[in-house]
Amino acid sequence: DVKVTQSSRYLVKRTGEKVFLECVQDMDHENMFWYRQDPGLGLRLIYFSYDVKMKEKGDIPEGYSVSREKKERFSLILESASTNQTSMYLCASRGEAYNSPLHFGNGTRLTVT
Amino acid sequence: AQSVTQPDIHITVSEGASLELRCNYSYGATPYLFWYVQSPGQGLQLLLKYFSGDTLVQGIKGFEAEFKRSQSSFNLRKPSVHWSDAAEYFCAVGVEVGYQKVTFGTGTKLQVIP
Repeated sequence: DVKVTQSSRYLVKRTGEKVFLECVQDMDHENMFWYRQDPGLGLRLIYFSYDVKMKEKGDIPEGYSVSREKKERFSLILESASTNQTSMYLCASRGEAYNSPLHFGNGTRLTVT
Repeated sequence: AQSVTQPDIHITVSEGASLELRCNYSYGATPYLFWYVQSPGQGLQLLLKYFSGDTLVQGIKGFEAEFKRSQSSFNLRKPSVHWSDAAEYFCAVGVEVGYQKVTFGTGTKLQVIP
C-alpha cells in the first residue's frame, strides 16, 4: 500500500513565523501535491511537483512556496505565516499514469495565532 | 478549465436507507472521475474511479457510481447505509492534458442516524 506521511498532525505557529510542512511518500511516485482544505471550499491546490526540483503553481499559490530536493519528499513553506493560512493541509502523491488516483496523507492542521 | 459541483453540503440518512450523493462536472472532453471519502481526522481515501468503458463502476465498501455523459453527472450510490459510512465525500475530476490536474468539489458531509 502507498504510504504518504505528513510529519506533523497539529501545528501552532505565530504570525510572521516561517513554517515548514513536510511530506514523504514511499511509492516512488513522480507527482506530489499540496492541497489546502477549508470548510465549504473543499480542497484547493496550492502547488504540485512532477519531478525532483520541478514545481508548478496550483490555484492558490500566494503566500506559499515548495521544495522538492528528493523524489520522496515534498515540503510546503509558509514564508511569513498569517492568520488566514490557518487551515488543514493535505499532501498527496500519484504515479505517472494519467489514470492513477491520488494517495493522501492524514493532514496537518495548522493554526496561526 | 474543469470544475466540479456537489450541490448538497450536508445529507442525513437513516441507517439501512439508500444513499445518493450528487456530483456534476464541467469539462469539454471525457474526464476522469473519482469519489473520495474522508473520515474525521483522516486524509482522503479513494472509493472508486471512472476512466472509460462501463459507465457503472463499483468501488470499495459497497459503493457504486454511474457516469452519465448527457447529464455531466457522476452520482455516488449505496443501497443500504451503515453507521460507519458517516464521513465527508468528495467528487473529483481529472483531465489528460498538461499536468493532469485534479479538481475537487466542495464535499458532502453525510450523517447517519440510527
